[in-house]
Amino acid sequence: RKEVEQDPGPFNVPEGATVAFNCTYSNSASQSFFWYRQDCRKEPKLLMSVYSSGNEDGRFTAQLNRASQYISLLIRDSKLSDSATYLCVVPRRTGGYNKLIFGAGTRLAVHP
Amino acid sequence: DVKVTQSSRYLVKRTGEKVFLECVQDMDHENMFWYRQDPGLGLRLIYFSYDVKMKEKGDIPEGYSVSREKKERFSLILESASTNQTSMYLCASSPREGGNNQPQHFGDGTRLSIL
Repeated sequence: RKEVEQDPGPFNVPEGATVAFNCTYSNSASQSFFWYRQDCRKEPKLLMSVYSSGNEDGRFTAQLNRASQYISLLIRDSKLSDSATYLCVVPRRTGGYNKLIFGAGTRLAVHP
Repeated sequence: DVKVTQSSRYLVKRTGEKVFLECVQDMDHENMFWYRQDPGLGLRLIYFSYDVKMKEKGDIPEGYSVSREKKERFSLILESASTNQTSMYLCASSPREGGNNQPQHFGDGTRLSIL
């Protein structure tokens, strides 16, 4: 089983739709989590950090379920500019060092 | 704003060549990382460094080495390039304080093709 698993999509939704992505992780010791956004042929950019049960930033809401070990990202009122790949990121502590483990990403395509 | 700069956006090299990828960050971050990204596999950690002259292997270090002579610069070296090293290479940095609570900031990436 992968450490971080995401549905690869693509999710094809019309403008204005609400869409949700899920991400499951295997390391129960992880305390903080991140969602990154990556546009085609560009670098990943931080979208949201999740340190407790959840976080909300405008149209974006991230929720964390520690018991079931999954994180979700909800996007309301989708815009064309939301089209991108969304990466779920989970920290892992190994040998005294902190690393970030990236999911393979979920692709979102918003159409008019 | 954090600025992570990678020396090349696109690079074409031949099998067997020694290849250098350079990365510079301007935020005095202690931590620096090299990843490669391939379709369906996501980002995989090659090497990382938590201080000058310090390096640690990531999950896929074979065929690579790194150098960190100055805090702001972290170089990735392909000792003898092979076609399976054709990939997108991403450099990232983060501050030491805060540990796992700190996200990483990425450079634009280098799309490397080995012929």
